[in-house]
Amino acid sequence: NAGVMQNPRHLVRRRGQEARLRCSPMKGHSHVYWYRQLPEEGLKFMVYLQKENIIDESGMPKERFSAEFPKEGPSILRIQQVVRGDSAAYFCASSPVQGHEKLFFGSGTQLSVL
Amino acid sequence: EDKVVQSPLSLVVHEGDTVTLNCSYEVTNFRSLLWYKQEKKAPTFLFMLTSSGIEKKSGRLSSILDKKELFSILNITATQTGDSAIYLCAVSEGNEKLTFGTGTRLTIIP
Repeated sequence: NAGVMQNPRHLVRRRGQEARLRCSPMKGHSHVYWYRQLPEEGLKFMVYLQKENIIDESGMPKERFSAEFPKEGPSILRIQQVVRGDSAAYFCASSPVQGHEKLFFGSGTQLSVL
Repeated sequence: EDKVVQSPLSLVVHEGDTVTLNCSYEVTNFRSLLWYKQEKKAPTFLFMLTSSGIEKKSGRLSSILDKKELFSILNITATQTGDSAIYLCAVSEGNEKLTFGTGTRLTIIP
């Protein structure tokens, strides 16, 4: 049973480009969470999605960031017109049911903006 | 604003030593506290605590929660080099979000 799969592991973008980060939850999990980890900081909640629905996006920056979890395929975190401050590790986590605090994390995508 | 504070920020000990990591929290509607271990890859789940005074154990690791004083400790006995990692504490308020502390970076010297 594969765990939470994220790709790419490393992503390098120049300022102004778009970044797309993918996350496939564990088999049987329909709840996906995205967290961001800046250097020397803890993980910060960004967004919580279920299939085809954004449930809580209170941690998402208002501009340039969007997330989706379509009926088929992985969840996508999209960052448009990246800036240097977007450089961070982006982690995806999944859970089997709503309100399940024990999250299973992927290995993260390290985004570097040049 | 909800806060989770971990101490120490970093800790270096010799193999075989015992360590205690601390996590204090201030949240509006506490539901549970979780400990994760983060090596170079994904944070991996260690413990979830919901009740005061009940120790959770897994091998050389143990953890306990004090809901009156709003803190938790994670103990690791007879440390090994494989215990070197960042240990993350997180609090759930039952609203699908975990609030994480900044972590304690533990280094075990052979």
